Amino acid sequence: DQQVKQNSPSLSVQEGRISILNCDYTNSMFDYFLWYKKYPAEGPTFLISISSIKDKNEDGRFTVFLNKSAKHLSLHIVPSQPGDSAVYFCAARALLTGANSKLTFGKGITLSVRP
Amino acid sequence: DTGVSQDPRHKITKRGQNVTFRCDPISEHNRLYWYRQTLGQGPEFLTYFQNEAQLEKSRLLSDRFSAERPKGSFSTLEIQRTEQGDSAMYLCASSLWPRGRDSGANVLTFGAGSRLTVL
Repeated sequence: DQQVKQNSPSLSVQEGRISILNCDYTNSMFDYFLWYKKYPAEGPTFLISISSIKDKNEDGRFTVFLNKSAKHLSLHIVPSQPGDSAVYFCAARALLTGANSKLTFGKGITLSVRP
Repeated sequence: DTGVSQDPRHKITKRGQNVTFRCDPISEHNRLYWYRQTLGQGPEFLTYFQNEAQLEKSRLLSDRFSAERPKGSFSTLEIQRTEQGDSAMYLCASSLWPRGRDSGANVLTFGAGSRLTVL
């Protein structure tokens, strides 16, 4: 059962344009959402997060939007740069009793930014 | 601090052999996680430790898998009698719980992973 879904496996964007990466989830117990970026031969690197009590969080060129009613979040990258080309994972945490804090990941989206 | 270190980076073994992976987390982090990633999938949770205590194991972690963190610092993940289906990237991550830069989200810092190929 895929609780975090990234339905588009890839996205190609022109340099300077906006990249929009989408993520849907099914577990209403998720209270934090995170985006990780992964380059080949490296581990995932944390990019940005958002609490379920917020609907937007911004950090430089990266903005994450959360729509709780739709169980949907998106990552916006503006402007996109060739160095942003990587696999982007959406992840979520359900804070249950005992505070495991483990993350549940989607399958990832491969972003290609064309010069 | 050099981040999360994993060793070896790549292991090729024959079916039926045992393999062991080591993870050295960020020194001040008290939580350590093991994840597995197969081709086309995101990382899947296997198990995690708080200090030396193993607090949760996924059903993905069969009896052939064992993880330890004996002194609350480095951790090992051993796979006995490897099968071709065990071929994957094994990722280790650590975090500081509950205090940290972004303690609400409990950001995990990942290592580069150990890639296992079972022939």
